[in-house]
Amino acid sequence: SYVLTQPPSLSVAPGETARINCGGNNIGVKSVHWHQQKSGQAPVVVISYDSDRPSGIPERFSGSNSGNEATLTISRVEAGDEADYYCQVWDSGSDHWVFGGGTKLTVL
Amino acid sequence: EVQLLESGGGSAQPGGSLRLSCAASGFSFSIYAMSWVRQAPGKGLEWVSVISPSGDNTKYADSVKGRFTISRDNSKNTLYLLMNSLRADDTAVYYCAKQSGSEYNFSAFDKWGQGTMVTVSS
Repeated sequence: SYVLTQPPSLSVAPGETARINCGGNNIGVKSVHWHQQKSGQAPVVVISYDSDRPSGIPERFSGSNSGNEATLTISRVEAGDEADYYCQVWDSGSDHWVFGGGTKLTVL
Repeated sequence: EVQLLESGGGSAQPGGSLRLSCAASGFSFSIYAMSWVRQAPGKGLEWVSVISPSGDNTKYADSVKGRFTISRDNSKNTLYLLMNSLRADDTAVYYCAKQSGSEYNFSAFDKWGQGTMVTVSS
């Protein structure tokens, strides 16, 4: 089955840029979606189809996808961005949706 | 406003059954694919199942295939997950999620419910 690999944790200072990677075999040909989950809350989609930002999501959130890695970039990080972030794709080989293991973003 | 409200969670014994419901409002339920996703305590998100708008197409994670059944009643704007032969490792918060289109194998998830807790223990 298809595996998505994310770093377990990432720490950044306020105002800096956070880049959260999601690795997968030839992930660049798939559509990648990103979800943010703050502590004790339901997930919220922050990026769809590699780089589309849903309404209400700040412009500081952006996405890219190429080769074997997709990236969620959060510019000018704020304390309120502290959360777990999950990447997601559809695996046509197994007919399954697949989530990455999640990355815990800590704002120092 | 799009709203998804899960219910039906609770405690069950190993080998038992539960049926979860997800009441949808604020959108044309019958034209969107829907999914169930779960999250065990302290763990990440795990996709469980997806259903097409008509209900004709369903897919399941290997961990639940043969035990769980996803269904929907478009006349009631409600999504269901029937869980049989429950095991301790099914303990999790179960979320329903609306997808942004009719294609169950492509459309992004664009709205999540608040989740309902299922605990399987003797």
